[in-house]
Amino acid sequence: DGGITQSPKYLFRKEGQNVTLSCEQNLNHDAMYWYRQDPGQGLRLIYYSQIVNDFQKGDIAEGYSVSREKKESFPLTVTSAQKNPTAFYLCASSIGRRNSNQPQHFGDGTRLSIL
Amino acid sequence: RKEVEQDPGPFNVPEGATVAFNCTYSNSASQSFFWYRQDCRKEPKLLMSVYSSGNEDGRFTAQLNRASQYISLLIRDSKLSDSATYLCVVNPSNAGKSTFGDGTTLTVKP
Repeated sequence: DGGITQSPKYLFRKEGQNVTLSCEQNLNHDAMYWYRQDPGQGLRLIYYSQIVNDFQKGDIAEGYSVSREKKESFPLTVTSAQKNPTAFYLCASSIGRRNSNQPQHFGDGTRLSIL
Repeated sequence: RKEVEQDPGPFNVPEGATVAFNCTYSNSASQSFFWYRQDCRKEPKLLMSVYSSGNEDGRFTAQLNRASQYISLLIRDSKLSDSATYLCVVNPSNAGKSTFGDGTTLTVKP
């Protein structure tokens, strides 16, 4: 089935450690996005990519990094510079520039906690 | 002022009630609009797109008012399973990032 796969479902980070969250899609979508959601809050955009080998900062990029070497993959690294990483991380994709009227589709998320 | 604003609620309604949510947006050039549903501790899922002429899907009706820059979602004959947070989403005209509202929480009670 086509879709977006995030892994792992749960992740624990030790202080000072970098961790990488995986996001893979087989929808042939050009655009991919990372969001953070804190309890009881809305989605906040971390990074997004409209095309392979290109990405832009969202509203809360500090302490995070991404890469987009392949169309189907958009991993997010939570670096040690992110002092409050505990949150629900959501990856999404959309067709992209080819059709701006299409919605985003989400993976089922990764819950990150500090040990 | 936020780009997309929703009444956070919560809306507490009895089963069978009709409930409506509004969402206002500030960018008059916005191109496309959607409603998503998010269950507790789950990812958002697309509920329906919102078209200029208004559209209906079963018990759900979405409307767009470009002049006043708001979209609405009407749920008729509420079910217990409708309890969730409803997010409105606005896409800009240049295929850039979408803007999500913070959501409106609905609880349907027996």
